[in-house]
Parts: sequence; structure tokens; C-alpha cells
Amino acid sequence: QKEVEQDPGPLSVPEGAIVSLNCTYSNSAFQYFMWYRQYSRKGPELLMYTYSSGNKEDGRFTAQVDKSSKYISLFIRDSQPSDSATYLCAMGSEKLVFGKGTKLTVNP
Amino acid sequence: GAVVSQHPSRVICKSGTSVKIECRSLDFQATTMFWYRQFPKKSLMLMATSNEGSKATYEQGVEKDKFLINHASLTLSTLTVTSAHPEDSSFYICSARDAGGPTDTQYFGPGTRLTVL
Repeated sequence: QKEVEQDPGPLSVPEGAIVSLNCTYSNSAFQYFMWYRQYSRKGPELLMYTYSSGNKEDGRFTAQVDKSSKYISLFIRDSQPSDSATYLCAMGSEKLVFGKGTKLTVNP
Repeated sequence: GAVVSQHPSRVICKSGTSVKIECRSLDFQATTMFWYRQFPKKSLMLMATSNEGSKATYEQGVEKDKFLINHASLTLSTLTVTSAHPEDSSFYICSARDAGGPTDTQYFGPGTRLTVL
């Protein structure tokens, strides 16, 4: 079993839709959890981070962590075409382990 | 804040030559920097962890003599791909840990696309 599993998609939604992105993991030692957004041919950009189970909201983005189920999610409300990118989950302690990324396209 | 730059953004070189990639933290001090490699439609693969003033720690399977890492200051780390071959062509991304910030997070550079002919 891979340490981090993420559905690569691709995921295509209409503008304004609510997007749900998910990752599962196997290592219970992971202490913090992050979501990165990566545009084509660019480096990843940190979107959200959290250390504990629960929800964290930042504008249209909500990160959710369920440590008991080893499951994290990123929700994007009122999605915009500019949200079209690959979203990477990452988690770990000293080192980060990344998911493969989910490619999202928001259609106008 | 928390800006990381990389130079060059793109490089094309002949097989057998060496290529140096610079990673700089512009507005914070980074005692730890990381070097990743990313293949198309694949996740980021950690190559090595670079600590200022000490030797880099390489991940299993990464040749330390081929991928030379130097972290001479708190804001600069370099990756040198020695005797590059076509199979070294990839997207190389660095990140820097802002240990002085409110959270222990990694900020990524824009990446360097290396093409070896």
C-alpha cells in the first residue's frame, strides 16, 4: 500500500460548482497535512495546512482532516476557471510525502 | 512573503555536461531546503534534504555523486547535475522550510526544467 493515495482525475466541473478533492494515507505518524496547487510548468503553491483533525477554512477553500480514518479533503466552493490546476495533497513530519495530484478543470 | 526563487527556469544541455541549479529563499532564512524531481503526471519525488552548513541527506536510490548539493548560506542551496544524460531530463523543484515562521511549512520554487540532449 502506498503511503499516500490520491485520485489523479482528471476532474472537470462547471464554474460555480463545489469541488471535493481527497487523499488517504497509511502512516499514522504523519503530523501535518497540506494542500498545494500547481499550475502547469510551475512549482507547487501552498494553499492550506493543518496539524490536527477537523476543518480549516480560508476563503473559498476548506481543508478537512480525519486522522481516525486517515483521510483528508479539500473543498473548493464557487469554483472559478482560475482554480484549474493540479492539486497535490502532502503530509508528513520531517519530510513531506506527496500524492500524485488531481488535475482539475473548471469550465466557464 | 515566503518567496523562493530558482535559477535557471529552463536549461538545455548536451549529454556529459554539468548543470547547476540555484534555489534562494528571498525573504526568510531557510536552514533546511529540499530538492525534488517531478516526472510528467507523477508526484514529486524527494531527492535530498539540504541543511545549511552540513552535508545533504540523500534519499534511497539517489546518487550523491551525480547530484551534488551545496547549502552554503541560510538563503541559498545549489543542485549540480554532473555528467548529465538524457534520463536526467526532468522538472527539478526546490523548497525551503521557514523554520522562523509561525508554522513549519515548505515553500516551493518555480522549478527548473532540464533537458539533456
